[in-house]
Amino acid sequence: DAGVTQSPTHLIKTRGQHVTLRCSPISGHKSVSWYQQVLGQGPQFIFQYYEKEERGRGNFPDRFSARQFPNYSSELNVNALLLGDSALYLCASSLSGAKTQYFGPGTRLLVL
Amino acid sequence: GESVGLHLPTLSVQEGDNSIINCAYSNSASDYFIWYKQESGKGPQFIIDIRSNMDKRQGQRVTVLLNKTVKHLSLQIAATQPGDSAVYFCAESYTGRRALTFGSGTRLQVQP
Repeated sequence: DAGVTQSPTHLIKTRGQHVTLRCSPISGHKSVSWYQQVLGQGPQFIFQYYEKEERGRGNFPDRFSARQFPNYSSELNVNALLLGDSALYLCASSLSGAKTQYFGPGTRLLVL
Repeated sequence: GESVGLHLPTLSVQEGDNSIINCAYSNSASDYFIWYKQESGKGPQFIIDIRSNMDKRQGQRVTVLLNKTVKHLSLQIAATQPGDSAVYFCAESYTGRRALTFGSGTRLQVQP
């Protein structure tokens, strides 16, 4: 069975641009979470979605937004990119109500 | 505020030895703990988890110990192999919280 998939794998943007990252959860998982991992640190929680509704939000500015589609896939959008947004963006999926989250390979974003 | 931290940033062991990675947490409400392994360029990989109603859980070559009294958990890896070389993260959550809170990670280096 396929795990969590993310696209693209790598992305280079310039300051002020916007970016859309995509995630497909493990089949049967209805919950998707997004995390940002800066080099040398642990992942930081951005959002969690379940059944297309936002169920949790971390301490990130409004430039960050996300949504979940009827097929449970998800997009993370970041507007007005800053150099500090350069990071590995991780998507994780979980079964409804379960704490265990399974991560995808991530999208590495570089903002120049 | 809540935090999850690790005692040692780098742990070097000989192949075949047992490894112990430690983690401290500060939130008394934490009731779910999970260990991930992250290899270079990859997303975190689930290893093992434990709930606060347990103090020990075993998997294949791994054991997690939880000491709620001193807010400490550890990951023990038996007969460490070169393929175990990676960064290991502990993370925690609590009832009602959607997100996992990660520590900063411990790098495990296995010497042949």
